[in-house]
Amino acid sequence: EPEVTQTPSHQVTQMGQEVILRCVPISNHLYFYWYRQILGQKVEFLVSFYNNEISEKSEIFDDQFSVERPDGSNFTLKIRSTKLEDSAMYFCASRRQANTGELFFGEGSRLTVL
Amino acid sequence: KNQVEQSPQSLIILEGKNCTLQCNYTVSPFSNLRWYKQDTGRGPVSLTIMTFSENTKSNGRYTATLDADTKQSSLHITASQLSDSASYICVVSADGGATNKLIFGTGTLLAVQP
Repeated sequence: EPEVTQTPSHQVTQMGQEVILRCVPISNHLYFYWYRQILGQKVEFLVSFYNNEISEKSEIFDDQFSVERPDGSNFTLKIRSTKLEDSAMYFCASRRQANTGELFFGEGSRLTVL
Repeated sequence: KNQVEQSPQSLIILEGKNCTLQCNYTVSPFSNLRWYKQDTGRGPVSLTIMTFSENTKSNGRYTATLDADTKQSSLHITASQLSDSASYICVVSADGGATNKLIFGTGTLLAVQP
């Protein structure tokens, strides 16, 4: 069964460092998303990406965050200068159709900022 | 404001017993409602998706109901197993066309004990 894969599974970084989280969505999917989940809290939307551009972003997704799909396969989330409060589980998700399509999540990348 | 509220916050049941989890939402315009199962430290996995016209949908021992008039949904788990221990998340999609407007609930943490 096709799945969304994410790397790394866990990354520990120092405050102020840049972090890149990588995702390989399901191959025939067109809509891509990043979510985050702070420990013990609910899943929060960060950004959606369609047709090689951001279609929507939340208030969380400030100038420190960026996404790109450099090679038509990987979908990356970059945090330029990490803060302690960026520590969370980051989930990538993809789906073939907007709105009604089933949304498939990756297993997540746990980011710990020290 | 679009919100999804779930109850109870946590639940402990004995293996083999049934349970029902509740979800109330104030999301407009409503598109669909999803239930996800999230094992600790893992990504959410879809259980059911229901549109406005669907009242009930089953997936094995999981049965979801939807009352679009009262804006309530429930997830019933029959003959619980130890592997059902997880967080169950209700997610409501607002009709935003191609953009993502998934509103996540905080989840119900279910613990099934032998």
